Amino acid sequence: AQKITQTQPGMFVQEKEAVTLDCTYDTSDPSYGLFWYKQPSSGEMIFLIYQGSYDQQNATEGRYSLNFQKARKSANLVISASQLGDSAMYFCAMRENNAGNMLTFGGGTRLMVKP
Amino acid sequence: DVKVTQSSRYLVKRTGEKVFLECVQDMDHENMFWYRQDPGLGLRLIYFSYDVKMKEKGDIPEGYSVSREKKERFSLILESASTNQTSMYLCASNPTARMSGANVLTFGAGSRLTVL
Repeated sequence: AQKITQTQPGMFVQEKEAVTLDCTYDTSDPSYGLFWYKQPSSGEMIFLIYQGSYDQQNATEGRYSLNFQKARKSANLVISASQLGDSAMYFCAMRENNAGNMLTFGGGTRLMVKP
Repeated sequence: DVKVTQSSRYLVKRTGEKVFLECVQDMDHENMFWYRQDPGLGLRLIYFSYDVKMKEKGDIPEGYSVSREKKERFSLILESASTNQTSMYLCASNPTARMSGANVLTFGAGSRLTVL
C-alpha cells in the first residue's frame, strides 16, 4: 500500500490566491514526521515545512502552513497569496520512527500559478 | 549552509556501460541517501548509508550498488546500465539525530541520466 498519497498530479492557481495541496499518509507508527518539499524546474529539492505527529499546533512558515488532521491522516500544504515563483513540483514525505532517518515520498503535485 | 554536490547534472550513456554517480556533502553528515525520481512515482530510495563503509538497501536496489569509502562521499554505481535506468537521480544527506524535531534531508541538484 502507498504510504504517501498525493492525489493531484497537477493544479492551477491564480496569482495572489491561496491553494491547498493534498497529502494523505498511512502509518501504524505513533511517532512520525511529515515534510513538504518544493522542486522548481532547476531540480533541487527545497525543504518547506515540517510537522511532528505529537505537535499540537499546525506548522507555519511564512506563506506556507500545514493543515494537519491526524485522525484523517492528512497533512495538506496551504500556500497563501500564490506567486509566480511558486510554480513547481511539490512533494509530501514522511519519516516513521521505526524507519530511522529515511523519508518516504509521495508522487508529487505540479503547481502552476497563472498571472 | 549544507551543500550537497552531485558531480554531473546530465549524463548520456549506452546500454551495458558502467556508470558512476558521485555525491559529496560538506557538513560532516553521517547519513547519505540515493533516490531515483520518475514522473508520477515521486522519489524512491535506492540505497542509503549511515556510516563509512556501511550501506543499506532501500526500496529499489536492484541493478545498483553503492560505495562509501569516505564520510563525505557517496557513490551510486550502475554496473551495466539499462534503458529502464533512465531517470533523475538525487543524492541527499542529514545528520544522525533524535527523532523529535525535523531532521531535514538536504538534497543535491540531481543528475539526469539517459541510457540509450
